[in-house]
Amino acid sequence: DTAVSQTPKYLVTQMGNDKSIKCEQNLGHDTMYWYKQDSKKFLKIMFSYNNKELIINETVPNRFSPKSPDKAHLNLHINSLELGDSAVYFCASSRDSLSPLHFGNGTRLTVT
Amino acid sequence: QKEVEQNSGPLSVPEGAIASLNCTYSDRVSQSFFWYRQYSGKSPELIMSIYSNGDKEDGRFTAQLNKASQYVSLLIRDSQPSDSATYLCAVAYSGGGADGLTFGKGTHLIIQP
Repeated sequence: DTAVSQTPKYLVTQMGNDKSIKCEQNLGHDTMYWYKQDSKKFLKIMFSYNNKELIINETVPNRFSPKSPDKAHLNLHINSLELGDSAVYFCASSRDSLSPLHFGNGTRLTVT
Repeated sequence: QKEVEQNSGPLSVPEGAIASLNCTYSDRVSQSFFWYRQYSGKSPELIMSIYSNGDKEDGRFTAQLNKASQYVSLLIRDSQPSDSATYLCAVAYSGGGADGLTFGKGTHLIIQP
């Protein structure tokens, strides 16, 4: 019954590694997002996908790349991880650009 | 640049009192406004949506929107210790496409028993 699910919940890795976070939504929403929440709890949008088309990229390093195999999935790939990438990453979905977001439970990424 | 401003707090309110949370936004084309509650270690949870000027009430929560002043607020009546959390104000801009929501930095609310 989970509306937006993301895995893993925790991810601990070393600098330089490549990792992925998976996200799936069963709400039938047209748009999915990735947000980053830093240590000060500030939520910033990273990407959004609408009908398999990347709409927004908010000055995110190109080490981050979203992959959407279909409308219900938006995975996040991160290459060459850096210490500053440590944060909580939230996947979310919405019906349209003016509707509320439904968030996944978050993935706490720790880069050592 | 689209900005959403909130007082980070902490805002301390005695149990049973009214908690008042405020938010201002910078862009006049904003059309949708949301309040999310986030407990420590959890994901943001939607508690109120408001789309037109005036008040909207849902249980103990009232959202107030004033587009002329670019101001949105959240009132929590009969505050309970379980209301202690960070409250995030979010704004949707009518730029078309999938812009997502712009969030404020949140107000940390503490309800004192």
